[in-house]
Amino acid sequence: DTGVSQDPRHKITKRGQNVTFRCDPISEHNRLYWYRQTLGQGPEFLTYFQNEAQLEKSRLLSDRFSAERPKGSFSTLEIQRTEQGDSAMYLCASSLASTGAPLHFGNGTRLTVT
Amino acid sequence: GQNIDQPTEMTATEGAIVQINCTYQTSGFNGLFWYQQHAGEAPTFLSYNVLDGLEEKGRFSSFLSRSKGYSYLLLKELQMKDSASYLCAASGNTPLVFGKGTRLSVIA
Repeated sequence: DTGVSQDPRHKITKRGQNVTFRCDPISEHNRLYWYRQTLGQGPEFLTYFQNEAQLEKSRLLSDRFSAERPKGSFSTLEIQRTEQGDSAMYLCASSLASTGAPLHFGNGTRLTVT
Repeated sequence: GQNIDQPTEMTATEGAIVQINCTYQTSGFNGLFWYQQHAGEAPTFLSYNVLDGLEEKGRFSSFLSRSKGYSYLLLKELQMKDSASYLCAASGNTPLVFGKGTRLSVIA
């Protein structure tokens, strides 16, 4: 297994455009997480899935943010009507669904909104 | 509520020992993780503590005191490649909550 894969690595978009990021987790992991990280800060939790069920989405930053994991495998994070404040690194992680199971992170998608 | 506190920056000399402290408050606490993150890279898992005491793993050790809401990461025989951010994260009723990270600079 090659680990958690995220696509694209970098995205530059103009304010007001919609963007979608993809995450492919480690195949045997049934939990998938989205975090956002800005410079000098730790990862900030956004949402997570167990299989195809989205278990927590109240931490999504606004209603412009949405995530899906339709078949319990890959996931997408969409940001509608992007704003400059959305510029950040968006990290995906996956894990087994057991207490103490570490999260394995992908290399992230760096979003720049101009 | 949930809160993780750790120092923002630390500097240490190659070959020395450094201790990075973390205090936490989290609902339904069930474990404490440490991650390493090099600049521009993803966080990578270092250690997990669920019981009080010291867990040793090579040059890195991690300690937990549940009653005090306190943990530390101990790095021995520092190498230049240890220059990175070290993230403390608490597991509880919600998925991992991370601190802001401690940026460690190892100097010659």
